[in-house]
Amino acid sequence: AQSVSQHNHHVILSEAASLELGCNYSYGGTVNLFWYVQYPGQHLQLLLKYFSGDPLVKGIKGFEAEFIKSKFSFNLRKPSVQWSDTAEYFCAAMTTDSWGKLQFGAGTQVVVTP
Amino acid sequence: NAGVTQTPKFRILKIGQSMTLQCTQDMNHNYMYWYRQDPGMGLKLIYYSVGAGITDKGEVPNGYNVSRSTTEDFPLRLELAAPSQTSVYFCAGKGGTGELFFGEGSRLTVL
Repeated sequence: AQSVSQHNHHVILSEAASLELGCNYSYGGTVNLFWYVQYPGQHLQLLLKYFSGDPLVKGIKGFEAEFIKSKFSFNLRKPSVQWSDTAEYFCAAMTTDSWGKLQFGAGTQVVVTP
Repeated sequence: NAGVTQTPKFRILKIGQSMTLQCTQDMNHNYMYWYRQDPGMGLKLIYYSVGAGITDKGEVPNGYNVSRSTTEDFPLRLELAAPSQTSVYFCAGKGGTGELFFGEGSRLTVL
């Protein structure tokens, strides 16, 4: 069955620390990958996406993600987090023949302490 | 553009009551989706639509119904509310670049 798994459910780190969130997917064929962020009390917003091309994708707010096809992974990174990065982060995937239906991971709650 | 708009933002229902969550969009999305979000579970797809008059079930459709009479509107109906339907519901539309644009969510509590 197709699935998306996120390695950590909860991450706590200090400002200026580096962040890496793991995401693995189990899909055959061509897959499109996304990272969304949900700030407290808000709706989901797109951080970045990968469809094809350069496997290192840069998104908003200094985030980037690397698609490693051989590992079925799409890990999210940020070199130096800020308190305002406190949020829940969701990895999501869809196949090109899925009518745009996104399958989400369970999410990772990130808390950045001052 | 308002984007994707959901109403109501909050609602408390008694078991067995029915209600409709409204979703409207002004971005001309053909593809629209309803997800529910539960803590630690991510988002699960309830129903989706690829255009006016066309809808299909997602991963967790039981207890829900949808309609899509126009491109703009995609309401979600709960016929007999159950405590298991306590959740946050998100409507979304798919943009031309493949990303989903989400509404602000509707928090539903069934007591």
